[in-house]
Amino acid sequence: RKEVEQDPGPFNVPEGATVAFNCTYSNSASQSFFWYRQDCRKEPKLLMSVYSSGNEDGRFTAQLNRASQYISLLIRDSKLSDSATYLCVVSLTGGGNKLTFGTGTQLKVEL
Amino acid sequence: GAGVSQSPSNKVTEKGKDVELRCDPISGHTALYWYRQSLGQGLEFLIYFQGNSAPDKSGLPSDRFSAERTGGSVSTLTIQRTQQEDSAVYLCASSRLDEQYFGPGTRLTVT
Repeated sequence: RKEVEQDPGPFNVPEGATVAFNCTYSNSASQSFFWYRQDCRKEPKLLMSVYSSGNEDGRFTAQLNRASQYISLLIRDSKLSDSATYLCVVSLTGGGNKLTFGTGTQLKVEL
Repeated sequence: GAGVSQSPSNKVTEKGKDVELRCDPISGHTALYWYRQSLGQGLEFLIYFQGNSAPDKSGLPSDRFSAERTGGSVSTLTIQRTQQEDSAVYLCASSRLDEQYFGPGTRLTVT
């Protein structure tokens, strides 16, 4: 079983749609959680950290369910520029530890 | 401010040759990480530095791979006697706390 599992997609959605991605992780000792986005042939860029209380940054909302070992990302009012691969990422300790990446979910936002 | 920089951006080498990849972290970031991303694969952790020491080398795939960091800043990843399966994008990240920021990567092609 992979340590971090994501639906690879692609998710093809019209501009303005709301789209949600889910991710599960296998190690219950995981402590830090992130969403990164990666554009084609570019490096991953940090989108947001994910906190137990849930957090929002503009059109993006992230949720963490530790009991189910489940992380989600919701994108509202999607834009063409949101088209990318979204990577679910966990690490075992807060600070100073290696990141474990999911293989990513591809999003294509269309006119 | 300046982000993580890596050089070279692209490297083509013949099988059996040694290569050296360089990473310049964000100023003030004490932690530095190397990852690699093979075609169609997720990112995999290679090695982590805290200052000049490497507490976690668990991801290095073989003894042909080594890395060092000097002055708590620049790091070099060396691959000896390169093999075709070493072809990948090698990404460096740095962090001060939990969040890691990636450089643009070095695309290594072994022919």
